[in-house]
Parts: sequence; C-alpha cells; structure tokens
Amino acid sequence: GAGVSQSPSNKVTEKGKDVELRCDPISGHTALYWYRQSLGQGLEFLIYFQGNSAPDKSGLPSDRFSAERTGGSVSTLTIQRTQQEDSAVYLCASSGQGSSYNSPLHFGNGTRLTVT
Amino acid sequence: AQSVTQPDIHITVSEGASLELRCNYSYGATPYLFWYVQSPGQGLQLLLKYFSGDTLVQGIKGFEAEFKRSQSSFNLRKPSVHWSDAAEYFCAVVSPSGYALNFGKGTSLLVTP
Repeated sequence: GAGVSQSPSNKVTEKGKDVELRCDPISGHTALYWYRQSLGQGLEFLIYFQGNSAPDKSGLPSDRFSAERTGGSVSTLTIQRTQQEDSAVYLCASSGQGSSYNSPLHFGNGTRLTVT
Repeated sequence: AQSVTQPDIHITVSEGASLELRCNYSYGATPYLFWYVQSPGQGLQLLLKYFSGDTLVQGIKGFEAEFKRSQSSFNLRKPSVHWSDAAEYFCAVVSPSGYALNFGKGTSLLVTP
C-alpha cells in the first residue's frame, strides 16, 4: 500500500483479555517502530525493529507487552491481560533505513484501544 | 537522557498572525531534532529536522525552526498561519540508542478566524 496500515482502527476489550494489534509498514521499509499515545502524555516509544530483530525494546512498559515482526514486514503488538491504563492510541511507524534520523518516520493512523 | 519539553500545551492564534511553538531539549552534545505535525484524522508528518550546520532550517508548509544552543531551544515558526495549520505539533529528539525518537508531549494549535 501507499502508507503504513494499522488494524483494527478501534478496539474495545474487557480488562484481563489479550489483544493483538497489527501493523503493515510501507513496502521495502526495514525499520519499524511502535509508539503509544495517551491523552496529555505525547508519544511514548515502545519498541524498534530492524528487519525481524528488535535491537531496542526498552520502551515496553511491562512483560504483558510483546511484539514480533515476520518476513521483515508485518508486525504484531500483543498486550496480555489488558488493564485500563493500557487504553491509548497505538501508533506504528516505518522508515527506509536503520536509524530514525536517516530517513523520516512514516506513521499509520493508529489503533485506538479502550479497555473497559 | 535526551529529551524535549514543549512548555505550551495549547496555543491559539488568529489566521494570518505569526506563530512560534517552543521546544527545549536536554542533551549534552549537538542533538538531532525534529518537528512533526499531527492533523486531525491523519498520521504524523515530518515538518523539518536539524542535524548540524545552518541553525535555521526550512521545512514543508512554510514552517521553519531555529536551533539555539545557548538556549537549548528549537522553536518552530511560521510567518502567517492558515486555518489548515490547526493541529497537534510535536518536537522530537533522537533517543540515546540512536534508533528511536523521543517526543515531547505536544502543543495543540487552534487557529481562529
């Protein structure tokens, strides 16, 4: 596709359930990022992929959060045993090179997660 | 750690007026700095970036930003604001790992007629 695609666009889940969020980066982009955007908190970095490996996962807030990337393309962010504080917009971005300052990040429109 | 602070949560300007959005950074050496814009219903888009060299950088949509080491600032400016500029603006700096960007909390811009 022309841009970064994220699905679903909205997700409502009950506390304690697991959720999976999907990101399709721009074709050919080797770098992929997950961010979380909460009201009044700006964008919080979660994890960075270069190809299928994640050299920087320092932003994952707890072991309930995990992510994987397969085939150097699609990535899935999984949140286990969701809590209300996990409610946020989860943004995915991709870029053509290995560092965020070499080429701009292209962001998707995000998945809005609501935990009830 | 490298971080940025955006002191203004909300800014309101009249259409046609000039605009300056503030960004202060915390970093020992010369940082790599960025401004991104998030328009309603759209993803974030890069406006401009600063790595080194000329401290005044030009971006898209008529925006510019000036890097001032003495003030640890990288303020975004536009001479004449258009209604379509209403959006959320984020300043960002490259993280210590060099891989990701650390974003500020954003400034919401409202443009009045």
